[in-house]
Amino acid sequence: SQQGEEDPQALSIQEGENATMNCSYKTSINNLQWYRQNSGRGLVHLILIRSNEREKHSGRLRVTLDTSKKSSSLLITASRAADTASYFCATDAGGNQFYFGTGTSLTVIP
Amino acid sequence: DAGITQSPRHKVTETGTPVTLRCHQTENHRYMYWYRQDPGHGLRLIHYSYGVKDTDKGEVSDGYSVSRSKTEDFLLTLESATSSQTSVYFCAISDGQVTGGYTFGSGTRLTVV
Repeated sequence: SQQGEEDPQALSIQEGENATMNCSYKTSINNLQWYRQNSGRGLVHLILIRSNEREKHSGRLRVTLDTSKKSSSLLITASRAADTASYFCATDAGGNQFYFGTGTSLTVIP
Repeated sequence: DAGITQSPRHKVTETGTPVTLRCHQTENHRYMYWYRQDPGHGLRLIHYSYGVKDTDKGEVSDGYSVSRSKTEDFLLTLESATSSQTSVYFCAISDGQVTGGYTFGSGTRLTVV
């Protein structure tokens, strides 16, 4: 399978703390994306990082990519209760197809 | 979700019956995808389309077929539903510009009894 794997599977933090989740994948990639899924909803695209980039920021999100380790991390700073959701990484191995990981379930406690 | 709708939202069907799920987009995007989401497995690609009448298999295509006769519609058919096909099915669209990512529908929860 080309799926990525997120770690941890579940994470619970207090509001205001930072949340870090990781994604590992198996094959060489062109791009890696992160998505958020609120309960009962579809996935929402958060951020994309290309294979030649090492770090990218978007608002309170920071994504890093280490292609030598085949891993990525998503950092959410100053978390809010509204950040409670599942987060998925998706890797692009070419052909405009993305393979999704199994997700990290984040709970932010007010 | 804006520009993409799935129908029905919920369906209960009996084992052995055919089922068709519909994905409709108003974005005129070239690429359309069907995923299933199951606990512990994340999202797995069933089939995808890269244009009208152009489709290909994903990693879990057995027992499923698709059709795309118009740019805006992508149909997923379970030829003879089984309990293992109980899942949440998501449609996604893409214009092929990777920077935008996929846009997902709200999902169809299918229960096969």
